[in-house]
Amino acid sequence: DSGVTQTPKHLITATGQRVTLRCSPRSGDLSVYWYQQSLDQGLQFLIQYYNGEERAKGNILERFSAQQFPDLHSELNLSSLELGDSALYFCASSVVGRGIDTQYFGPGTRLTVL
Amino acid sequence: DQQVKQNSPSLSVQEGRISILNCDYTNSMFDYFLWYKKYPAEGPTFLISISSIKDKNEDGRFTVFLNKSAKHLSLHIVPSQPGDSAVYFCAASVLNSGYALNFGKGTSLLVTP
Repeated sequence: DSGVTQTPKHLITATGQRVTLRCSPRSGDLSVYWYQQSLDQGLQFLIQYYNGEERAKGNILERFSAQQFPDLHSELNLSSLELGDSALYFCASSVVGRGIDTQYFGPGTRLTVL
Repeated sequence: DQQVKQNSPSLSVQEGRISILNCDYTNSMFDYFLWYKKYPAEGPTFLISISSIKDKNEDGRFTVFLNKSAKHLSLHIVPSQPGDSAVYFCAASVLNSGYALNFGKGTSLLVTP
């Protein structure tokens, strides 16, 4: 158990809908990262937050947004969902979010868009 | 554009033997490299890392080798155990420009008794 929790574990929804994925980092970790793993892809970095502020952005679609709240939990919002958004979404956390700082991953949320 | 490549999707090794997992990268700015292990229905678990100032890092049965000139790294597991059966991801980052990890697509290792 990494100490990173993600809810829900599974999510099934329809095209055009909007969903919110939630992540609670390990106790003491200030930085949260979101990654997407599609069927034939490795993990793709989406976005990083540090202590409530956006720190780095990867190939995140405009339909996706994220935020980190004062209690350090984070939410990833996916809107106007398309079939291709079906994937595993992982959240990771680390202490300071820079330098040699190990990222610890949650168990993931499996999103299925029908 | 895949900057970290793991060209072997799968590898099968007998228990007790050495497992060698390979990883190539294209971005010469990468200066920190990690290996993660992933079991089904779980998130990736950090295994071992190496910074570009070293060419080898060892932790128990796991050793990572880095060849900067070839832009290649490898993970050696000696001796391999059935519990090592998992998907192994290679990842790389540029330390001074944030900490986003660039992952390969993974190699599925099966260690047979």
